[in-house]
Amino acid sequence: QVQLVESGGGVVQPGGFLRLSCAASGFTFSSYGIHWVRQAPGKGLEWVAFTDYGERNKYYTDSVQGRFTISRDNSKNMLYLQMNSLRAEDTAVYYCAKDTVTMFTFDYWGQGTLVTVSS
Amino acid sequence: ETVMTQSPATLSVSPGERATLSCRASQSVNSNLAWYQQKPGQAPRLLIYEASTRATGVPARFSGSGSGTEFTLTISSLQSEDFAVYFCQQYNNWPLTFGGGTKVEIK
Repeated sequence: QVQLVESGGGVVQPGGFLRLSCAASGFTFSSYGIHWVRQAPGKGLEWVAFTDYGERNKYYTDSVQGRFTISRDNSKNMLYLQMNSLRAEDTAVYYCAKDTVTMFTFDYWGQGTLVTVSS
Repeated sequence: ETVMTQSPATLSVSPGERATLSCRASQSVNSNLAWYQQKPGQAPRLLIYEASTRATGVPARFSGSGSGTEFTLTISSLQSEDFAVYFCQQYNNWPLTFGGGTKVEIK
């Protein structure tokens, strides 16, 4: 069965950095795009970033453009999110989510990893 | 950015009743609209994509309709496991955007 397991969350000071990881299994990882989606405590969902299967196309929401970088290692079935210059408003649960065949919807999600930006 | 607006914010419904949730886009998203269900402490679950196509394993009591800027998710007869928060999401334009959610609670 499809599994996505995030890790790397924690508490970081404003201006700091963190690298999230997502381990994928149960499907042909190298054939699908993958997203990061976040959810601030008690709030709604916010799409953060996307990479296609071969990293040719990457997209980011405006608020993280230039600060976050999405990447993947298809040989290890791993997805990453490098987060720099973190702000209080980046505090959220970060989910990795598999893209569907029809593209740009999310059919499988991880359990999420909490990132807290606080001094 | 395409802004997605959901209404109402909270919907109080008795088990067995029908629930109708609305989602409006600030510009046309054609039929590139999905619905998700999220229960407390869980990741979201895809229910509907392409505005009206049920995802694998989703019960037939869930149905979606609409195109352009106006969309509806209908739950024909609410079961206990359906009380949750529902989000719409457009994937016609970058960035991908979600609505703020509708909480369906027990009346």
